[in-house]
Amino acid sequence: GAVVSQHPSRVICKSGTSVKIECRSLDFQATTMFWYRQFPKKSLMLMATSNEGSKATYEQGVEKDKFLINHASLTLSTLTVTSAHPEDSSFYICSARDPVPDTQYFGPGTRLTVL
Amino acid sequence: GQNIDQPTEMTATEGAIVQINCTYQTSGFNGLFWYQQHAGEAPTFLSYNVLDGLEEKGRFSSFLSRSKGYSYLLLKELQMKDSASYLCAVQIGTASKLTFGTGTRLQVTL
Repeated sequence: GAVVSQHPSRVICKSGTSVKIECRSLDFQATTMFWYRQFPKKSLMLMATSNEGSKATYEQGVEKDKFLINHASLTLSTLTVTSAHPEDSSFYICSARDPVPDTQYFGPGTRLTVL
Repeated sequence: GQNIDQPTEMTATEGAIVQINCTYQTSGFNGLFWYQQHAGEAPTFLSYNVLDGLEEKGRFSSFLSRSKGYSYLLLKELQMKDSASYLCAVQIGTASKLTFGTGTRLQVTL
């Protein structure tokens, strides 16, 4: 299957700082990428849909000013967690949509810990 | 709203066959995915069903009945490395969004 990378894999930051997570599709162009959040032993929760060249679409209850998404190219989407707080600590996973066939391939995830 | 149900946990013996069920009630159904997720890792793609019937891929098979809102993942010749969470995800609407079930944690024992 297709390869999607995420960077960093782990990050620890202080409360109040901002953290940027990158998601790259390495062997295909992805006009659409998705950002998920996963709590321990829970399933994935979709946060937002990232569309290349346009604004992201956020799911209900997700603060767009707190979770900034930029999809500047067909292979890169970034998620910035602004003014992070301990409750933002979680496993963040991105996926990239390969339209043929219509499948999502997931990155390895980023574990964010906010102290 | 969307509702996707899976058993929370299952246990099976190495070498055996296990079936993980998934039922869903959604609007705008476009297809159903199964993913495998090991602890602390991202999900990996296993199968995709859009039409009714059985899709076989090696030791793994997936079945879909759209009229019944039902799917299952069948794992044959279980191996210890198959111990993982198995996520059922429904693709909804034209935006290709996935809604995930709660996942089934499978424990394979000797």
